[in-house]
Amino acid sequence: EPEVTQTPSHQVTQMGQEVILRCVPISNHLYFYWYRQILGQKVEFLVSFYNNEISEKSEIFDDQFSVERPDGSNFTLKIRSTKLEDSAMYFCASSYTASSGNTIYFGEGSWLTVV
Amino acid sequence: AQSVTQLGSHVSVSEGALVLLRCNYSSSVPPYLFWYVQYPNQGLQLLLKYTTGATLVKGINGFEAEFKKSETSFHLTKPSAHMSDAAEYFCAVSDLRGSSASKIIFGSGTRLSIRP
Repeated sequence: EPEVTQTPSHQVTQMGQEVILRCVPISNHLYFYWYRQILGQKVEFLVSFYNNEISEKSEIFDDQFSVERPDGSNFTLKIRSTKLEDSAMYFCASSYTASSGNTIYFGEGSWLTVV
Repeated sequence: AQSVTQLGSHVSVSEGALVLLRCNYSSSVPPYLFWYVQYPNQGLQLLLKYTTGATLVKGINGFEAEFKKSETSFHLTKPSAHMSDAAEYFCAVSDLRGSSASKIIFGSGTRLSIRP
């Protein structure tokens, strides 16, 4: 079964460093998402992306964050200058359509630890 | 805006017992509802979803959920718990706002433990 893959599975970085989390969505999917889950908390929406531009972003997704699809297969999340509170599990997801009720498929997540 | 509330952050049942995980939703329009499961150190996997039609929805691993509009509920059940069901379960609703790519709004999760 096709799946969303994410790398790295775990990254430790120093505060202030830039981090890039990578994702390969399911190949025929058109809509891409990033979510995050701070330890012990709920999974939160960060951003959605379609047709090479951001469709929607949450208030969490400030100027520190950016997304891009550099080569037609990868979908990346960049955190420009990491803060301690950015430590979380980051989930990439994709879907074929944008219609409500469509299934969004999630990757296994990338654990980011900022020290 | 749509939202979901999961009652009970931790539920513990004996192996073979009924599993009942509670979820209530808030939505101004007919909702689309989901249950996702997260096994330890793994990602989010879709268990089942309700969009339209039959209100009793069957999912993977013997789980099912019933959409009850009168109670604004979408509780998840399984008749007989198995040790492998130990995981975190998230109820979720699809956000219908605007023309953006629909996104999922998650509840806070319920950790299910199974006693031998």
